[in-house]
Amino acid sequence: AQRVTQPEKLLSVFKGAPVELKCNYSYSGSPELFWYVQYSRQRLQLLLRHISRESIKGFTADLNKGETSFHLKKPFAQEEDSAMYYCALRDGGSQGNLIFGKGTKLSVKP
Amino acid sequence: DAGVIQSPRHEVTEMGQEVTLRCKPISGHNSLFWYRQTMMRGLELLIYFNNNVPIDDSGMPEDRFSAKMPNASFSTLKIQPSEPRDSAVYFCASSLWGGRAGANVLTFGAGSRLTVL
Repeated sequence: AQRVTQPEKLLSVFKGAPVELKCNYSYSGSPELFWYVQYSRQRLQLLLRHISRESIKGFTADLNKGETSFHLKKPFAQEEDSAMYYCALRDGGSQGNLIFGKGTKLSVKP
Repeated sequence: DAGVIQSPRHEVTEMGQEVTLRCKPISGHNSLFWYRQTMMRGLELLIYFNNNVPIDDSGMPEDRFSAKMPNASFSTLKIQPSEPRDSAVYFCASSLWGGRAGANVLTFGAGSRLTVL
């Protein structure tokens, strides 16, 4: 079954500290993975996708097929990074649907 | 493009009333998705359309929920009758499926926050 697991509901770090939001997936084929971010009471926005291999707002994520993981990392957290972060997996059996994890709330303290 | 537009942004209603949520996808997108977001269950896919045709409605909780997409620029999600447990934020998203890889990304609307008393 296709599944996305984000083991941490809440992650709290201090400003300037490194942050890693964990995401593990279950998928039999070649996965396509995304990170979406939702700032307080705003819409979900695409943060990055693994096929782009890009860094957005200092965040990066590397697909590790051996560990079936797509962890989101940032070396120095900022207060404005506080938000809900959702990891998502393209549903191979649909026209573009994404399967979302339950989300991790990142809180960056001053 | 103004992005995915949803209305109303907030709806407060009483149990038993009919609720209609509306969505205008991004022009040119051919796939439309309705998600429900709650604290307990996170983001759940309710239904999605491709070229205005419902493809998968297995996420629709029960017969009280229905969705339509009469044309490429408009979709509705209806709950009748509404119940307190339907209180949630309902998101609409659209994408261009089958286009170049970079375009095949879900873009979300701002959501409709529903409270059923």
